[in-house]
Amino acid sequence: QQQVKQSPQSLIVQKGGISIINCAYENTAFDYFPWYQQFPGKGPALLIAIRPDVSEKKEGRFTISFNKSAKQFSLHIMDSQPGDSATYFCAALLTGTASKLTFGTGTRLQVTL
Amino acid sequence: KAGVTQTPRYLIKTRGQQVTLSCSPISGHRSVSWYQQTPGQGLQFLFEYFSETQRNKGNFPGRFSGRQFSNSRSEMNVSTLELGDSALYLCASSPQADNYGYTFGSGTRLTVV
Repeated sequence: QQQVKQSPQSLIVQKGGISIINCAYENTAFDYFPWYQQFPGKGPALLIAIRPDVSEKKEGRFTISFNKSAKQFSLHIMDSQPGDSATYFCAALLTGTASKLTFGTGTRLQVTL
Repeated sequence: KAGVTQTPRYLIKTRGQQVTLSCSPISGHRSVSWYQQTPGQGLQFLFEYFSETQRNKGNFPGRFSGRQFSNSRSEMNVSTLELGDSALYLCASSPQADNYGYTFGSGTRLTVV
């Protein structure tokens, strides 16, 4: 079964600190790796995504680092803010005629003052 | 631009009943996918429709079914409800068949009593 393993399960970071969430995948055929942010009562919202031919992508305070040989990717949130407190999901997509997202188990991030 | 609309937002059903959930994708989006989200199992793929055809189905029993209409709106049905079907059911739409740029709705919270 295709899996995406995510860690940690929960994370507490002080305001202004760096939040780091890690994911590992098994299927080397995955060709798109998005991160989603979910607030209580809402559906997941696409935060940032990367393709395996790129090692890093940055959008504002959010950066994805991608290590193809290790089959790992991570989300870094710089200058973490209380408004970043949410659950974060990594995912992997195998595109094609039967594409579907495979999600990690989620990381609950709490940013304290 | 309107987002993905799911109705109803909340449902309470009794064991053994059936339920139909509705999803209206973003205008112009032709792909609709459904996911089940529970605290224990996380986000699990149910099925995906593109141009009224089911392209992919997750590992759920036959009690779970869906369909897509010519206007891309989609419904999912769960028959003979069980307590374990209590979950947040999420619909996501994307413009093309490759499922890049998924946009999720806020979900339907189903409680089976």
